[in-house]
Amino acid sequence: DTAVSQTPKYLVTQMGNDKSIKCEQNLGHDTMYWYKQDSKKFLKIMFSYNNKELIINETVPNRFSPKSPDKAHLNLHINSLELGDSAVYFCASSQVGLAGVQETQYFGPGTRLLVL
Amino acid sequence: SQKIEQNSEALNIQEGKTATLTCNYTNYSPAYLQWYRQDPGRGPVFLLLIRENEKEKRKERLKVTFDTTLKQSLFHITASQPADSATYLCALTVTGGFKTIFGAGTRLFVKA
Repeated sequence: DTAVSQTPKYLVTQMGNDKSIKCEQNLGHDTMYWYKQDSKKFLKIMFSYNNKELIINETVPNRFSPKSPDKAHLNLHINSLELGDSAVYFCASSQVGLAGVQETQYFGPGTRLLVL
Repeated sequence: SQKIEQNSEALNIQEGKTATLTCNYTNYSPAYLQWYRQDPGRGPVFLLLIRENEKEKRKERLKVTFDTTLKQSLFHITASQPADSATYLCALTVTGGFKTIFGAGTRLFVKA
C-alpha cells in the first residue's frame, strides 16, 4: 500500500497549457504539503494545508493554486505553464504532534514536469 | 538572513568507513532537526529526528548529534556500505510553526 501517492508520475506539456497534479495520502495525517525540487536538487516548500486549511503559502506565482477537497487529498493546479516551472513536484504529509509542531514528513514519489 | 548549509560537494568514502555529514544553520530557532535520504528519482525518506533538547540519537548504524550552541548537526553512518550511496538532506522545523526548511543535501558515494 502506497502511503503518499501522486499522479501523474511524468508530465510533458507545452508552454501556456494548464495542468493538474493530484496527491493522496492514506496515513490519516492532518497536514499536507507541496514542494518543488529544481535542477539543483533544492527542495522548497510551496504550500501547506492543515485540516483542509491553507497554513503556508510561500512566494509562489498565483498561477499555482492548491486545492484540498478533504484531509487525504491535496491537488495542485498550474495555469499558463512556463519553461521555469519544469521541476519535480513532491507532495508530502505529516501529523501535528502534541506540542503543536508538525512531525516527520512522508513524501510521495514525485511528479516530473517538463514544459516545452 | 536564515540559512541551512550542508557540504555542497559530494562525499566519497571507502566501504566500511564512517561517513560524517554536516548541517549548519543560522538565524533559526529549531524545534527539531531531521535527516532524510533521497535516492535518484525518488522522494525523500525519513531517517532520524532529534529534538532541540537532545544531544544525540542513534538508530542501527546511524547517529545524529545536535548542538544548538554551535547551530550544527552531524550525521554519521558507521560501517558504510555501497547501498548507503544517496543524497542526504538535513531539515529544520522551526519552533511554533508548521514549516520545515530543507538543506540542499550532500551526495554520498560509498565505494566497494
